[in-house]
Amino acid sequence: EPEVTQTPSHQVTQMGQEVILRCVPISNHLYFYWYRQILGQKVEFLVSFYNNEISEKSEIFDDQFSVERPDGSNFTLKIRSTKLEDSAMYFCASSEERGYTGELFFGEGSRLTVL
Amino acid sequence: AQKVTQAQTEISVVEKEDVTLDCVYETRDTTYYLFWYKQPPSGELVFLIRRNSFDEQNEISGRYSWNFQKSTSSFNFTITASQVVDSAVYFCALRMNTGFQKLVFGTGTRLLVSP
Repeated sequence: EPEVTQTPSHQVTQMGQEVILRCVPISNHLYFYWYRQILGQKVEFLVSFYNNEISEKSEIFDDQFSVERPDGSNFTLKIRSTKLEDSAMYFCASSEERGYTGELFFGEGSRLTVL
Repeated sequence: AQKVTQAQTEISVVEKEDVTLDCVYETRDTTYYLFWYKQPPSGELVFLIRRNSFDEQNEISGRYSWNFQKSTSSFNFTITASQVVDSAVYFCALRMNTGFQKLVFGTGTRLLVSP
């Protein structure tokens, strides 16, 4: 069964460092998303991406964050200068369509720890 | 604004007990979708069910059942004859008919099933 894959599964970094989280969405999917879950809290929407541009973003997704689809398969989330509060589990998701039939498939998450 | 409330932060049951997880949502839209996801200790988000606002039929899938009541804006989830493997955090989520599949999650209910 096709799945969304994320790397790394866990990354530890120092405050102020740049981090790139990578995702390989399901191959025929067109819509891509990043969500974040701070430990023990709810899952929060960060950004959606379609047709090589951001379609929607939340207040969390400030100038420190960027997303990119550098080639036909990867979808990345970059945090330019990490802060302690960026420590969280980051989930990538993709969907084939936008409407009701466009079910969201989540990856297993990348845990980011900022020291 | 859209909001999902899961008032139960943690529920503990003994194996074979039935348990109901509550979910109350708020939205002004007439068309929307409701979801339940399971997050086991390994951290991934596992899709359980999707229900649209026009379909108030209750659904049963094995030991799982869902009770959708528009009149009370609730979408409750019942596990019958719970098992230890059901131990996880369960999230209820809401999505509008418009937009790019942005899910609004509740804060989750941690279910602990002991032998």
